[in-house]
Amino acid sequence: GQQLNQSPQSMFIQEGEDVSMNCTSSSIFNTWLWYKQEPGEGPVLLIALYKAGELTSNGRLTAQFGITRKDSFLNISASIPSDVGIYFCAGQIPGSNYKLTFGKGTLLTVNP
Amino acid sequence: SAVISQKPSRDICQRGTSLTIQCQVDSQVTMMFWYRQQPGQSLTLIATANQGSEATYESGFVIDKFPISRPNLTFSTLTVSNMSPEDSSIYLCSVAGTGSDTQYFGPGTRLTVL
Repeated sequence: GQQLNQSPQSMFIQEGEDVSMNCTSSSIFNTWLWYKQEPGEGPVLLIALYKAGELTSNGRLTAQFGITRKDSFLNISASIPSDVGIYFCAGQIPGSNYKLTFGKGTLLTVNP
Repeated sequence: SAVISQKPSRDICQRGTSLTIQCQVDSQVTMMFWYRQQPGQSLTLIATANQGSEATYESGFVIDKFPISRPNLTFSTLTVSNMSPEDSSIYLCSVAGTGSDTQYFGPGTRLTVL
């Protein structure tokens, strides 16, 4: 099946630092979604991107849908301890009947 | 976004038994999906739960092992049958509206098989 390459696998940063993570694929995607999962919880949708080149913000989070439709990045500015969790990208392939393919996740640890 | 609940939230089961997981949504949704998340791993789609017809399974998942029901537009169940320790995972349901590319997830069911 299709695979998303998500990097980095993990990050350990100091509070206040900015964070960037990205996903790439060999296939074109219709939609890019970014989720955050905390221990014991289901993934929570952070940002949804629907058009190539789209840049969307949600508070301190900013994400972009790559022009080639094969990549996306998520930036977190001025990180805080509650940003800790696993961040997943997910993409929807054209004609897949709304099925999502997930990246392997980026584990973010923020040191106060 | 829809409010999604799952029951049970967690369970510990014996090998060879079966567990049925329920997913309830507070509004009617077109699409419902079931995912598995093995320990420390990403999410893998098990099947699409179709209202009024048989579920559509992904490669590697079969109806005999993971029977799914979808009696209406707000409810679905996933059964994990004849369980083995390898079935220990988090099972998640998700929903999407008509024409929507965005999926929202339930809190998950944490299953441990001994």
